[in-house]
Amino acid sequence: DADVTQTPRNRITKTGKRIMLECSQTKGHDRMYWYRQDPGLGLRLIYYSFDVKDINKGEISDGYSVSRQAQAKFSLSLESAIPNQTALYFCATEGGPGNQPQHFGDGTRLSIL
Amino acid sequence: DQQVKQNSPSLSVQEGRISILNCDYTNSMFDYFLWYKKYPAEGPTFLISISSIKDKNEDGRFTVFLNKSAKHLSLHIVPSQPGDSAVYFCAASAYAGDYKLSFGAGTTVTVRA
Repeated sequence: DADVTQTPRNRITKTGKRIMLECSQTKGHDRMYWYRQDPGLGLRLIYYSFDVKDINKGEISDGYSVSRQAQAKFSLSLESAIPNQTALYFCATEGGPGNQPQHFGDGTRLSIL
Repeated sequence: DQQVKQNSPSLSVQEGRISILNCDYTNSMFDYFLWYKKYPAEGPTFLISISSIKDKNEDGRFTVFLNKSAKHLSLHIVPSQPGDSAVYFCAASAYAGDYKLSFGAGTTVTVRA
């Protein structure tokens, strides 16, 4: 079983709909991240959380919100989806501060029509 | 403004030869650098890293070189194998930035038989 699981893997929806992407992990890591990948731009940070009570905005948080329901679960919501939020979304975990690699899920491909 | 840049979107190399991937950065506070490898329909996986106190780190066929004065790092893969065909992302983080990762746009490597 994957250490970092993202659901759904693919989603097509319409403009204005509310969407939730979910991420769960079995690595026991405190730190969790949400990124989006767009062609030619690499991965950009949307939100991150260092523990259950900690939520921080990343570089592109507008139009998104998150919830850290437990150490193992971190969900990303698009309250009212718009077409330029069409992208590949990745969740990642990290064991602690400083000089440690992040571990990624396999991504959610989101298309907004 | 992207702080980590991979200026070559793609690289084609013959099996058995060396692959050299380049990455430049602008933030002099970066002190930890990583390379990730990504196959289609999968998340990025950690490949190799280097701390700013070193100028070289080697792991099997993979070597990362860091030139702090030029703000440049490179990944060497020797010898290249068909399974190395993937997208490679360069990433960097800084203690001052709470170790959040900044990613480059990626380089797609194709290893020809």
